[in-house]
Amino acid sequence: GQNIDQPTEMTATEGAIVQINCTYQTSGFNGLFWYQQHAGEAPTFLSYNVLDGLEEKGRFSSFLSRSKGYSYLLLKELQMKDSASYLCAASDSNYQLIWGAGTKLIIKP
Amino acid sequence: ETGVTQTPRHLVMGMTNKKSLKCEQHLGHNAMYWYKQSAKKPLELMFVYNFKEQTENNSVPSRFSPECPNSSHLFLHLHTLQPEDSALYLCASSQELASGTDTQYFGPGTRLTVL
Repeated sequence: GQNIDQPTEMTATEGAIVQINCTYQTSGFNGLFWYQQHAGEAPTFLSYNVLDGLEEKGRFSSFLSRSKGYSYLLLKELQMKDSASYLCAASDSNYQLIWGAGTKLIIKP
Repeated sequence: ETGVTQTPRHLVMGMTNKKSLKCEQHLGHNAMYWYKQSAKKPLELMFVYNFKEQTENNSVPSRFSPECPNSSHLFLHLHTLQPEDSALYLCASSQELASGTDTQYFGPGTRLTVL
């Protein structure tokens, strides 16, 4: 079956760095997405990886290892506004997105 | 603002009611999606439309009925729902369906409570 695993909840300190991991098992693979969702709001796109390696975008970076079925989202210089849920989604052979349940990130001062 | 709007934002309905959710996208996209989001669960894809044609119906109960009159508008008609249908219903759009690498843009969702 197809499956995405990510931690349910993480806590980090303002100004610190946090890494949110995601492992996936899909029938075929056409890329890995990360979305951010603040409580009561729409999920918003953060990153897309289809090749192995690290993609950096400001304070956020996303990494992919296709051979390991593994990705992570790295958030640097954490700010209180980064408190949100982070959703991992893999695109399968039919280009359908398989979603994880999301990781709720709590930032403490 | 993501360019995708949904109304209403909140809806409370009884099991015998009929209501409709509306989604509109202002991005010129050709594919639109309905998702169900329940607490601590992955997003569940319900329906997909590409150029107004339904391409996916992921075993959704018939009490949910989608309608896509044009590429910019999507409706979800609800009737005789069950309490377990209470969830956040999200609409999304993307440029094309053929390439699943296209980013999906989401609306803020309708928080549905079925009594």
